[in-house]
Amino acid sequence: LAKTTQPISMDSYEGQEVNITCSHNNIATNDYITWYQQFPSQGPRFIIQGYKTKVTNEVASLFIPADRKSSTLSLPRVSLSDTAVYYCLVGDMNTGFQKLVFGTGTRLL
Amino acid sequence: DAGVTQSPTHLIKTRGQQVTLRCSPKSGHDTVSWYQQALGQGPQFIFQYYEEEERQRGNFPDRFSGHQFPNYSSELNVNALLLGDSALYLCASSRLAGGTDTQYFGPGTRLTVL
Repeated sequence: LAKTTQPISMDSYEGQEVNITCSHNNIATNDYITWYQQFPSQGPRFIIQGYKTKVTNEVASLFIPADRKSSTLSLPRVSLSDTAVYYCLVGDMNTGFQKLVFGTGTRLL
Repeated sequence: DAGVTQSPTHLIKTRGQQVTLRCSPKSGHDTVSWYQQALGQGPQFIFQYYEEEERQRGNFPDRFSGHQFPNYSSELNVNALLLGDSALYLCASSRLAGGTDTQYFGPGTRLTVL
């Protein structure tokens, strides 16, 4: 399983666009990139998943460069309710029996 | 459509006791995974159940055991509780057949061992 590296914390202001970058130098060909959001004392919530280029949904955008060694989660116009820990995960989602490997995440303040 | 549910919400036990936590997966899901999350840390994978069998296991001792029922719900059992077992226990469900195996998490059970 590819190891991920992301900043421990980030500060932001309401209305600002926030970009959290995750490094995954050893990503494998079949690996997908998945981001989860977690509020205190709650389970992680799936935000977005992608394989390459750009993925957008109603919550966020995920930018993945051609070499796939990093990815950037973009949250448009954050509010206080976006204060949470954001986890970047990398793994082969098509193998079944997928165990998710979480790092320490990025605390968005 | 109900999401993943867990019970109880909170639990307080003493060292040496045994505990059972319960999880009902999201409708349409057949695979259940359990994670332990210590304060300030990311969730750590305990094990995963599919077709009532343990399919994968993380680095946890045999004191941690589980079960999956025919209706896909699952239990996590922890014997001989230690102070270090105090954590948020998370259940996640997914659908094995086809497509990307996105896991959806429940709200967790907060276990405190005194």
